[in-house]
Amino acid sequence: QSVLTQPPSASGTPGQRVTISCSGGRSNIGFNAVNWYQQLPGTAPKLIIYSNDERPPGVSDRISGSKSGTSASLAISGLQSEDEADYYCGTWDDSLSGPIFGGGTKLTVL
Amino acid sequence: QITLAESGPALVKPTQTLTLTCTLSGFSLTTSGVGVAWIRQPPGKALEWLALIYWDDDKRYVQSLKNRLTITKDTSKNQVVLTLTNVAPVDTATYYCARLHPRDFDHWGQGTLVTVSS
Repeated sequence: QSVLTQPPSASGTPGQRVTISCSGGRSNIGFNAVNWYQQLPGTAPKLIIYSNDERPPGVSDRISGSKSGTSASLAISGLQSEDEADYYCGTWDDSLSGPIFGGGTKLTVL
Repeated sequence: QITLAESGPALVKPTQTLTLTCTLSGFSLTTSGVGVAWIRQPPGKALEWLALIYWDDDKRYVQSLKNRLTITKDTSKNQVVLTLTNVAPVDTATYYCARLHPRDFDHWGQGTLVTVSS
């Protein structure tokens, strides 16, 4: 069971806006930045959001992140079929002295 | 261009020791602030961080596997090596190495699938 809690699934129709939540605690999200990773089927994870709300070069501006207290969210607007993937949140945990991941959310584009 | 490439056996027998190598390109583990981690993903399951080594040789391990894991670096070869002792079928997973810079994994290898079976 992951230290960070994500919903196992999310879905939306093309053009819609979907959000994925990530819940943690004081020792992780509370005091550390949150990152988000996209994993397309059969491929390695890819960093899409770092430091809570920053996008690496080349990542679509339809993707955004936010953090409040001990929770974080990933939002994808203008949903497209290419967004269908697994999404993982990640951060550092001060109590565990290492990085941690959420359990992942499978996003389906209906 | 930054790349990481994992290599190692595809099949390992139970109780054996698994040794995986991550070859780095486009960056060096001698650069201040840089780390390289190993992360695994059992089939159909979530990512699990295993071990991390920094440029200054500081090492971190996931508590649940600490007694079975060893991470080392060879800066002359630009490689990071992970060993996992006494493997069991539950260790079957795709193993990834990734660069930690400074608190996010900004580059990942393609992963290598390791199956533990007799």
